[in-house]
Amino acid sequence: GAVVSQHPSRVICKSGTSVKIECRSLDFQATTMFWYRQFPKQSLMLMATSNEGSKATYEQGVEKDKFLINHASLTLSTLTVTSAHPEDSSFYICSASTASGYTFGSGTRLTVV
Amino acid sequence: GENVEQHPSTLSVQEGDSAVIKCTYSDSASNYFPWYKQELGKRPQLIIDIRSNVGEKKDQRIAVTLNKTAKHFSLHITETQPEDSAVYFCAASPSGGSNYKLTFGKGTLLTVNP
Repeated sequence: GAVVSQHPSRVICKSGTSVKIECRSLDFQATTMFWYRQFPKQSLMLMATSNEGSKATYEQGVEKDKFLINHASLTLSTLTVTSAHPEDSSFYICSASTASGYTFGSGTRLTVV
Repeated sequence: GENVEQHPSTLSVQEGDSAVIKCTYSDSASNYFPWYKQELGKRPQLIIDIRSNVGEKKDQRIAVTLNKTAKHFSLHITETQPEDSAVYFCAASPSGGSNYKLTFGKGTLLTVNP
């Protein structure tokens, strides 16, 4: 149980375009979704916390206008990287809290060319 | 906010030896401490966790100890195998299973040499 499905797993986009990443909780309701970014050989850094039906809370230094988060339902949270640049290339992972801990999506490898 | 320090950043052991990874945290409100194993390009996989009302927890070759007074917790892997090679992350949260965020350590690259 407590599965989070994340799509796409890999995406390559051109500089200046936008990319949307989706995370769906398949068998539970996720009132909160955490969005992390992981650069190569580094740790998971929290970008923002999304709560169903309200505005996301962004960590210091994360541009809210660039990383748009929507959590319109209890089973879907999305992260849109707007006007992507090569420095946004990274591994993005979502995570939801459950009764027993945290469950992670499978991650999205974003490459901006 | 919470700050989690993890050491060492790399660890190389011979197959069959034990491996120990240590973490410290700063926020005394933290009471949930999971450990994750991450293989390249994959999601973190929970291998063991501990809550503040417990000092030690063991699951086969893996054990975690927690010292709340000193604010540190450690992962112990015994009888290491090559398939244990991966990056390991410790993390801390005010409460696992709630809407509190996890703060991760910087990770330890464990290499088990056959």
